[in-house]
Amino acid sequence: VMTQSPATLSVSPGETVTLSCRASQSVDAKLAWYQQRPGQAPRLLIYGASTRATGVPARVSGSGSGTEFTLTISGLQSEDFAVYYCQQSNNWPLTFGPGTRLEI
Amino acid sequence: EVELIESGGDLVQPGGSLRLSCAASGFTFNKYAISWVRQTPDKGLEWVSTIDDGGYFTYYSASVEGRFRISIDNSKNTVYLQMSSLRAEDTAKYYCARLQMIQGVPMDGFVWGQGTLVTVSS
Repeated sequence: VMTQSPATLSVSPGETVTLSCRASQSVDAKLAWYQQRPGQAPRLLIYGASTRATGVPARVSGSGSGTEFTLTISGLQSEDFAVYYCQQSNNWPLTFGPGTRLEI
Repeated sequence: EVELIESGGDLVQPGGSLRLSCAASGFTFNKYAISWVRQTPDKGLEWVSTIDDGGYFTYYSASVEGRFRISIDNSKNTVYLQMSSLRAEDTAKYYCARLQMIQGVPMDGFVWGQGTLVTVSS
């Protein structure tokens, strides 16, 4: 089971934010992060806990291993306000967290 | 550019069947696994099924095992999800997504299509 905190985070443009994801059992580094804007499909940001996907800016970073993971976004821009999901791929079934909504 | 286009979503009665398609382009199709993931406002994102790059191995969530079947047509770069014995709780937006796997182990994250809507209701 994947959990994310907080459910909603209110921040201002230009700030730095850290989102948390926790796994109920170790998933090693098999952890991905996705961004979903309203009306759009999720977009892969990070896989392998810390590897940025193609086209993801360097101000987005991921860290962690085992059961505790974080996604950090610095210099928040308007397009960053979205819902963020974590997902583990260490065990079948593949599972997602409930998401963190980043709002202005 | 990676492109995954889902089709086949529709309104269907409980107990009915539906087949979804996922047409892929922009990458070497037979080097990636393809998954189906569904999303509802209440339950969020839920992985449904995955077929490996060779079409030899398939994986299903417990909620669809025995009712859904995933298959692949490499000649058409297309993956199908045959859904039967549909229930109201299968109502969702269904996404297909690319996944790199090596010997059954996912190596990266999902790259998504735009989704197709399935509604199960009388």
